[in-house]
Amino acid sequence: AQSVTQLDSQVPVFEEAPVELRCNYSSSVSVYLFWYVQYPNQGLQLLLKYLSGSTLVESINGFEAEFNKSQTSFHLRKPSVHISDTAEYFCAVSDQGGNTPLVFGKGTRLSVIA
Amino acid sequence: ETGVTQSPTHLIKTRGQQVTLRCSSQSGHNTVSWYQQALGQGPQFIFQYYREEENGRGNFPPRFSGLQFPNYSSELNVNALELDDSALYLCASSPVDTDTQYFGPGTRLTVL
Repeated sequence: AQSVTQLDSQVPVFEEAPVELRCNYSSSVSVYLFWYVQYPNQGLQLLLKYLSGSTLVESINGFEAEFNKSQTSFHLRKPSVHISDTAEYFCAVSDQGGNTPLVFGKGTRLSVIA
Repeated sequence: ETGVTQSPTHLIKTRGQQVTLRCSSQSGHNTVSWYQQALGQGPQFIFQYYREEENGRGNFPPRFSGLQFPNYSSELNVNALELDDSALYLCASSPVDTDTQYFGPGTRLTVL
């Protein structure tokens, strides 16, 4: 069965500093990877996804993630964070596509400090 | 806005009671999944419905059941509530042949 490990439960970072949120998944023949963001008292919003093709995927708000098959990782990065990026971030994996059941990590709480 | 709504927002029940949670998806979203998110944890897959039939189930007992209706709404029913059922319940829907699940805001269930 698929599994996802998010190595950091909490990441505090100063505003305008870079950040990396780490995600490792269990190996599988095929894998589809996602990052979701959850703001306080809200549901999950898709941030970005890797399905195939280029290993570097980007979101519209400056986040990017790189699929690394040899290291079974899909780390999320942003070169300069804003206060509004404070949220819970979840990495998720599926072995059949984004429309099928997702296996989530436990989440990383990103706190941006002014 | 994902176009997925859930009701109620919050709910308090006691052990042994039954509860029904509701989800309304956008037109054309014929796949719906339910997830349970316990405090401090990531969401866990409960089950998925496709065209009103159960299409996959996670590691949850039979007292968790669901329905999907032709109008793109769905229900999650939980019988014989236990304290550990306290969680945020999320509904996610998908249009056919896409790779994205759109999540609702969730229903926070507290079991006393």
